[in-house]
Amino acid sequence: GAGVSQTPSNKVTEKGKYVELRCDPISGHTALYWYRQSLGQGPEFLIYFQGTGAADDSGLPNDRFFAVRPEGSVSTLKIQRTERGDSAVYLCASSLRQGTAGANVLTFGAGSRLTVL
Amino acid sequence: KQEVTQIPAALSVPEGENLVLNCSFTDSAIYNLQWFRQDPGKGLTSLLLIQSSQREQTSGRLNASLDKSSGRSTLYIAASQPGDSATYLCAVRSLGGSEKLVFGKGTKLTVNP
Repeated sequence: GAGVSQTPSNKVTEKGKYVELRCDPISGHTALYWYRQSLGQGPEFLIYFQGTGAADDSGLPNDRFFAVRPEGSVSTLKIQRTERGDSAVYLCASSLRQGTAGANVLTFGAGSRLTVL
Repeated sequence: KQEVTQIPAALSVPEGENLVLNCSFTDSAIYNLQWFRQDPGKGLTSLLLIQSSQREQTSGRLNASLDKSSGRSTLYIAASQPGDSATYLCAVRSLGGSEKLVFGKGTKLTVNP
């Protein structure tokens, strides 16, 4: 696609519920990133995929958070037993394979705003 | 642990003014530094990327400098316009293999017509 697409754009859920957030990266981008941005803060790294595998998941805050990218394209961020503190904008970004021109330039989606009541 | 600080947190200037946004980072072992722009309700747009071996990058009215040894970068915006109003974020990628970016909290810029 022309850009990074994230769905839903807004999600309101109740504490304790399960949530899935989807990211559709730019076609041909092998690297995919998830960040979380709380109000008044900069984005905080969660996880990075190169192809299908998670190359770095050190930013996932706890085992309630999990992300997959089974075919090396679309990724889903899954949050179990949501808590009010999970409320934030979840940003996805993609970039070209390392070693290619522009590989370090990330293209971000508009984000999914999650509100946990 | 890398930490990124941006000063000021907010800045309001009249149209036409030249301005400088500041970014500092605690660990000088960086791979690159990027400046992003974020408009309300939207994702981030990459403005400039400076590799660790570079001193500056320019794009139109924007110029970003990097002083790795002192842990500082500046974003210079010439002849500011109301359309430049946005939050500007600085992000650092450290050496060591991980491709994660560490962001500052941003500077919210308002350019008044």
